[in-house]
Amino acid sequence: EVQLVESGGGLVQPGGSLRLSCAASGFTVSTYGMHWVRQAPGKGLVWVSLIKSDGTTTTYADSVKGRFTISRDNAENTVYLQMNSLRGEDTAVYYCATDSRWSFTNWGQGTLVTVSS
Amino acid sequence: QSALTQPRSVSGSPGQSVTISCTGTSSDVGGYNYVSWYQQHPGKAPQLIISFVTQRPSGVPDRFSGSKSGNTASLTISGLQAEDEADYYCCSFAGSYTWVFGGGTKLTVL
Repeated sequence: EVQLVESGGGLVQPGGSLRLSCAASGFTVSTYGMHWVRQAPGKGLVWVSLIKSDGTTTTYADSVKGRFTISRDNAENTVYLQMNSLRGEDTAVYYCATDSRWSFTNWGQGTLVTVSS
Repeated sequence: QSALTQPRSVSGSPGQSVTISCTGTSSDVGGYNYVSWYQQHPGKAPQLIISFVTQRPSGVPDRFSGSKSGNTASLTISGLQAEDEADYYCCSFAGSYTWVFGGGTKLTVL
């Protein structure tokens, strides 16, 4: 059974950094593209970032480009999202999801990031 | 990367059909057949219900169907059931390995 478990969320001050983890089980992360999607409280879903199955191609939404970095550790079967220079508008639940057939097939339960002083 | 346009809310009675529209541009919805739809119940993670505009993943009831015409995609739910009450999001590939979601539609089953 495919399972994704996000962790690493919490309260951070504006300008601070946080690293989110997405631990996968039931499949190998290197065989799928992996996304991060976020959802601000009471708001809609927003795509954040992709790491392709090749592990070298990464893409980002304009709103996070230059501040966030997606990466993958095949040995740990985990995908990461390093978030720097955090802003209030980055406050959201962050979900990781598998990419299959150009859609988001499996989702984790999400981890909440709150950026506030 | 502007969000796709969805109605904020729709409603229907049990047994009826409802359609949720999703309007984008020729750079996203109109340019690719990579439109997907997601159902999200309160406090839960989203769940894929339609991919490739019209395809239902295994386990998704055939009451859910998708279509596309030009820059607008649509999700139709027929034979509405109480458990269909949820938020629904469309999503489209937008080129250069980027994606864009719609703003979401709240479905109320009366």
